[in-house]
Formats: sequence, C-alpha cells, structure tokens
Amino acid sequence: DSGVTQTPKHLITATGQRVTLRCSPRSGDLSVYWYQQSLDQGLQFLIQYYNGEERAKGNILERFSAQQFPDLHSELNLSSLELGDSALYFCASSVTGVLSPLHFGNGTRLTVT
Amino acid sequence: GQQLNQNPQSMFIQEGEDVSMNCTSSSIFNTWLWYKQDPGEGPVLLIALYKAGELTSNGRLTAQFGITRKDSFLNISASIPSDVGIYFCAGQNTGTASKLTFGTGTRLQVTL
Repeated sequence: DSGVTQTPKHLITATGQRVTLRCSPRSGDLSVYWYQQSLDQGLQFLIQYYNGEERAKGNILERFSAQQFPDLHSELNLSSLELGDSALYFCASSVTGVLSPLHFGNGTRLTVT
Repeated sequence: GQQLNQNPQSMFIQEGEDVSMNCTSSSIFNTWLWYKQDPGEGPVLLIALYKAGELTSNGRLTAQFGITRKDSFLNISASIPSDVGIYFCAGQNTGTASKLTFGTGTRLQVTL
C-alpha cells in the first residue's frame, strides 16, 4: 500500500460529460502529480501541484483542470469528455517535490461511452 | 510528450533465468527510478538512483545509473513467476518541477 488514495476506482460516463477524480496524498507529502495512462501505453505527465500551487504542467488538455486544496488533497476535473479520454488516471505524491521518489495510487479507470 | 526508450519492449523468460533491460534518453537526468506495474494497479517504486555510475540492489534486483546520465539498466536475477509485470524506468531532474518522465515499458512474462 503506497499510502496514496484515489477515488473512485472506476468511472463510466458518456461523451460530453464532466467528472472529478480525487486524490489524497501520503501523509506528509506536499507534492501531488497527475498522470494519464492509455491502454498499453506509458504514463504521460499531466500536472503537478506543490503545497497548493501549480508547479509544472505537461500535455494537459484545456478541457482538463486540477487543483490542490489546503488539506493537500487534489482533484482532477475532466470536462466535455471524449471517447479518447478513456484511460487510467494516476495520482502520485512525494515529500518535497524535488528529487523525491513519487509514490503512486492505484488509479481511477475512466471509461467514456 | 517525451518518453524514454526502453528495451526490450517485451520478453518471455523461463523461471530461474536472469533478466536485463535498459532505458535510454536523449537528455540527461539527475535521478533514475525503476517502477513495476501489475495489472490494474499503480506503479510501485523498486529502486531509486541518485548518482552517475551508482549501482544499487534491492533483493534480486540490481540497477545502475549510467555514467553519461542518459541511461539506466535493471537486472533481475533468478526470476520467479511474481516478477511478471511491466517495468518502467523514469528520469527525474532537480528544480521546482520534479515530474518523472517515464519510459515506454518492458513487459516481462515468466514461464515455469
């Protein structure tokens, strides 16, 4: 158990809809990262937050947004969903955000129909 | 986005055999990490390397941080069935943005 909690585990929704994925980092970790993994693909970095502030951005679509709250949990919002957004979405956390290994949650599997 | 190249992409080996895989990048990294992902689960950290030339072991796993800082290697000795999974390398740099850049993955299957 990595200590990173993601909910929900599975999500099935229709095209055009909006969903929110939630992540609770490990106790003491200030940095949260979001990654997308499509079928049989590697992990693509979406966005990083450190202590409530956005720290780095990857290839995150404009339809996607995220935030980190004062209690350090994070949410990833996906809107105007398309079939191609179906993927595993992973959250990871680390202690300081600098040269600290990332620890991953078990992901949210999003299926867009 | 950028991805690191891993070789081989997949491999079938017999139980008891040793396994070697590598990861290469066009740019340097200050840290190399190796993760294993089982189906339906998140990647689990196996080994972290922080210094060029460093050789680190974790049980039957040994990883090396390449001297050029553009590559890393993972060896698994005496493979067992539970070694099955996808192995990802990841590079990380210093700075305020410490995201990981992941490799394309090596899928390992072990036969009895």
